[in-house]
Amino acid sequence: KAGVTQTPRYLIKTRGQQVTLSCSPISGHRSVSWYQQTPGQGLQFLFEYFSETQRNKGNFPGRFSGRQFSNSRSEMNVSTLELGDSALYLCASSLLPTSASYEQYFGPGTRLTVT
Amino acid sequence: AQKITQTQPGMFVQEKEAVTLDCTYDTSDQSYGLFWYKQPSSGEMIFLIYQGSYDEQNATEGRYSLNFQKARKSANLVISASQLGDSAMYFCAMRGRGDKLIFGTGTRLQVFP
Repeated sequence: KAGVTQTPRYLIKTRGQQVTLSCSPISGHRSVSWYQQTPGQGLQFLFEYFSETQRNKGNFPGRFSGRQFSNSRSEMNVSTLELGDSALYLCASSLLPTSASYEQYFGPGTRLTVT
Repeated sequence: AQKITQTQPGMFVQEKEAVTLDCTYDTSDQSYGLFWYKQPSSGEMIFLIYQGSYDEQNATEGRYSLNFQKARKSANLVISASQLGDSAMYFCAMRGRGDKLIFGTGTRLQVFP
């Protein structure tokens, strides 16, 4: 069974640009969560999607958005990039919404560098 | 507010020895879950062990065990018989009301021969 895949693995963007990151969950998993990891702020929850609906959202500005498709694949978009958006973005999938299932499987992450 | 505290930025342990990684938490929720994840240098977060707040027995998964002391709000990870491959960052996390997973700052464990 394939694990969680994230594309691209590495990305370099310029301030002011926008970026879209993709996450494909484990086959059969319908819940996808996104996290941002930085040296200064650590790991922070961005949002969770289940069956194409956003169930939960962290404390991030509106420049961070996401969506989930009918095949459970999820995308995360960051508009008007700032230097502080440089981070490792991790995606995690689970069979059920995180409130019902405790096991989340993480992908390898996308390392975004904003210059 | 919910908070996870890991006070050990780094730990060293000799191969085959046991090591305890500390984690304390703060929450007003009655129902919550505690997790430990391992993050190797590759970046992927690997789920290790889970403890529910109502679980009376400490969770164990192979060489990993969670020392859960509810009254002290601590959830320490014990790794027995350390291996060189255990060298990584270890994160304690909690999920409570709102279902968001909140992480600690992590502990870097280095296992030496």
